[in-house]
Amino acid sequence: AQSVTQLGSHVSVSEGALVLLRCNYSSSVPPYLFWYVQYPNQGLQLLLKYTTGATLVKGINGFEAEFKKSETSFHLTKPSAHMSDAAEYFCAVRRIQGAQKLVFGQGTRLTINP
Amino acid sequence: DSGVTQTPKHLITATGQRVTLRCSPRSGDLSVYWYQQSLDQGLQFLIQYYNGEERAKGNILERFSAQQFPDLHSELNLSSLELGDSALYFCASSVASVNTEAFFGQGTRLTVV
Repeated sequence: AQSVTQLGSHVSVSEGALVLLRCNYSSSVPPYLFWYVQYPNQGLQLLLKYTTGATLVKGINGFEAEFKKSETSFHLTKPSAHMSDAAEYFCAVRRIQGAQKLVFGQGTRLTINP
Repeated sequence: DSGVTQTPKHLITATGQRVTLRCSPRSGDLSVYWYQQSLDQGLQFLIQYYNGEERAKGNILERFSAQQFPDLHSELNLSSLELGDSALYFCASSVASVNTEAFFGQGTRLTVV
């Protein structure tokens, strides 16, 4: 069975500081990996995804994530936080073949301090 | 705007009642997924339909059922509602090719009182 662990349910950074949100996954086979963002009272919006190829993937709003197979990790980073980045972030995995359901982590709430 | 439309946005109902949540997928998407988001369980996959057929099932209660119609819209039916069913219910759709992502609607917030 697949599972996702997001380290830290709450992360707080200052505006302009580095954002690092951690995600580790468990899967018997290499999965597809996703980061979604949820703003208050909104649905989930895809930030970026890893399927195949380059392990460093760039997404929207200046975010990027690196797939590290040896560490079973897919951490999300942004060099300089902006107030508008305050939201909840979800890491998710999906099988490459078979059932296409997403398995989500518990989410990390990101707070940006002025 | 993801292109996935969910109605209603908010629903308040009493215990024991039955409700229907509706989802219209993005144009061209054949696959529809339903997820439940609650404070204690997080985001949980409920069920997937592909072109009218049930494709995968998650931790969906027997009191819950879904279907996908010929025009590809989907409905999630929740019956004998309990307080614990209060949650945000998301619909997502995808083309369902190997490496494509799912696009989420804005959700229906269900409150059972």
